[in-house]
Amino acid sequence: DAGVTQSPTHLIKTRGQQVTLRCSPKSGHDTVSWYQQALGQGPQFIFQYYEEEERQRGNFPDRFSGHQFPNYSSELNVNALLLGDSALYLCASSPVAGGPGELFFGEGSRLTVL
Amino acid sequence: RKEVEQDPGPFNVPEGATVAFNCTYSNSASQSFFWYRQDCRKEPKLLMSVYSSGNEDGRFTAQLNRASQYISLLIRDSKLSDSATYLCVERGSSASKIIFGSGTRLSIRP
Repeated sequence: DAGVTQSPTHLIKTRGQQVTLRCSPKSGHDTVSWYQQALGQGPQFIFQYYEEEERQRGNFPDRFSGHQFPNYSSELNVNALLLGDSALYLCASSPVAGGPGELFFGEGSRLTVL
Repeated sequence: RKEVEQDPGPFNVPEGATVAFNCTYSNSASQSFFWYRQDCRKEPKLLMSVYSSGNEDGRFTAQLNRASQYISLLIRDSKLSDSATYLCVERGSSASKIIFGSGTRLSIRP
């Protein structure tokens, strides 16, 4: 039973570029949440997808967008990259939106913006 | 004010000691709370849920105080393997949104 998988694991971009990160949820999970974790900080909630729609959004600009596919996998897109976007991007899945269950995290995609 | 606040530490305690840390939250409508553990350069993993009546899992005890809006985590007989960052987590009134604290770093020394 595969857990949450994310790709790529590491990537380096320059300011102004665009990046797409991918996530496949744990088998049986239909809800995907994205988090940004800067060094020494806790994960910051970006948004959550359920039934291919964005259900909830944190305090992130429109440069951050996402998508969920019919197979429940998800993408996070960041446009016009800034140095401050350098962070670990974590994808988490859960069995159902709003359910009491735990979040299962992938190992993350570490983005460095130069 | 941050929605969830934690003492960042680091807490540096000897093996076998008892250590406790708190987390405060600002949203009185928050529905549920959790403690997650994150090892260095790894993803967070659920340690335990926190119930109003308090709950215990082996050496770990979690408490919730709704009146004062804080939760706590107590670790007894600490082990070297307990060294990690402990993240306080709340699920707010909108159950889709799960908020993490910035984490408390714990280091257990031999």
